[in-house]
Amino acid sequence: AQSVTQLDSQVPVFEEAPVELRCNYSSSVSVYLFWYVQYPNQGLQLLLKYLSGSTLVESINGFEAEFNKSQTSFHLRKPSVHISDTAEYFCAVRGSGNTGKLIFGQGTTLQVKP
Amino acid sequence: DADVTQTPRNRITKTGKRIMLECSQTKGHDRMYWYRQDPGLGLRLIYYSFDVKDINKGEISDGYSVSRQAQAKFSLSLESAIPNQTALYFCATSDDRGAVLTFGAGSRLTVL
Repeated sequence: AQSVTQLDSQVPVFEEAPVELRCNYSSSVSVYLFWYVQYPNQGLQLLLKYLSGSTLVESINGFEAEFNKSQTSFHLRKPSVHISDTAEYFCAVRGSGNTGKLIFGQGTTLQVKP
Repeated sequence: DADVTQTPRNRITKTGKRIMLECSQTKGHDRMYWYRQDPGLGLRLIYYSFDVKDINKGEISDGYSVSRQAQAKFSLSLESAIPNQTALYFCATSDDRGAVLTFGAGSRLTVL
């Protein structure tokens, strides 16, 4: 079985500052890892994913995450945030087997202040 | 039109009432899911279906049932709603690899 822990429930940050949203997972098998974003009053959208290959993955809007197998982490980072990045961010994990289900963390609310 | 459509978007009901939340998708995906979102708890899986004849319980299926009427339709029912089922419900789909989920906009249910 897999589980996900997002270490911060809320992260307040000023605009143009860097940010890191932390995610740790546990699993006894190889995993796929994901970050989803939920803007206010909307559904979840995929932000980025790690399936295999390079451990550093990037999104089109400047976020990146690094898969660290030894530390079982998949932290999300952005060097300079914008007001429009204000949202709730969910880390998720699933086993790489074909019948795996996606398990979500508790969510981290990123509040970007002007 | 949205790839995954949920109806209703908002519903207020009373304890003991039967409620159905409907989900339809145009992605052509075989896999469909129902999740529940509660503040501080993230999303928890209620039921999932890998094809029309394959329905499975998730981590919190008690008090819920589902029906997969067709590849494109997956409905969630609360036979007798209770207040602690007040939540935001999401339907999602994925392809056979199941690696990426496409979510609907959500159905907010309030049980009084």
